[in-house]
Amino acid sequence: EPEVTQTPSHQVTQMGQEVILRCVPISNHLYFYWYRQILGQKVEFLVSFYNNEISEKSEIFDDQFSVERPDGSNFTLKIRSTKLEDSAMYFCASSEMGYNEQFFGPGTRLTVL
Amino acid sequence: GQNIDQPTEMTATEGAIVQINCTYQTSGFNGLFWYQQHAGEAPTFLSYNVLDGLEEKGRFSSFLSRSKGYSYLLLKELQMKDSASYLCAVKAAGNKLTFGGGTRVLVKP
Repeated sequence: EPEVTQTPSHQVTQMGQEVILRCVPISNHLYFYWYRQILGQKVEFLVSFYNNEISEKSEIFDDQFSVERPDGSNFTLKIRSTKLEDSAMYFCASSEMGYNEQFFGPGTRLTVL
Repeated sequence: GQNIDQPTEMTATEGAIVQINCTYQTSGFNGLFWYQQHAGEAPTFLSYNVLDGLEEKGRFSSFLSRSKGYSYLLLKELQMKDSASYLCAVKAAGNKLTFGGGTRVLVKP
């Protein structure tokens, strides 16, 4: 069964460093998303992406964040200068169309020291 | 703003039935989703309601009343592996999901 994959599974970085989280969405899906979940808290929407551009973003997704689809399969989230409060599990998700269910990847646990 | 409420925790016995309620107040409504999340893992899709009524999928059923801003997830014939958090999520406007805090269900033998 097709699934969303994410790398790395765990990333440890120093405050102020740049990180890139990578995702491979399900191949026939057209809509891509990033969510995050701080330990013990709810899942929060960051950004949605369709047709090579951002379609929606939350207040969390400020100038320090960017997304890119560098080729036909990968979808990346970059955090330019990480802060302690960016420590969270980051989930990539994809859906076939905008109204369909979203399928989540296994997540990348980001730890900022 | 968006507000989604669900109980924090529920306990039930193996083989029993548990009903997890979710109430929501959102500006716009394009569907309500239920996800299961085991500790340290990703949410996995369980069910989707966009029209009023009951959707049944094996041991899991989900109900929606749009006029009441209310949904429930019913888990029948509970198994130990059903111990997890159950997340209610609403698609208000656009395609983003807004999640509730999740209900942790503990299944006891």
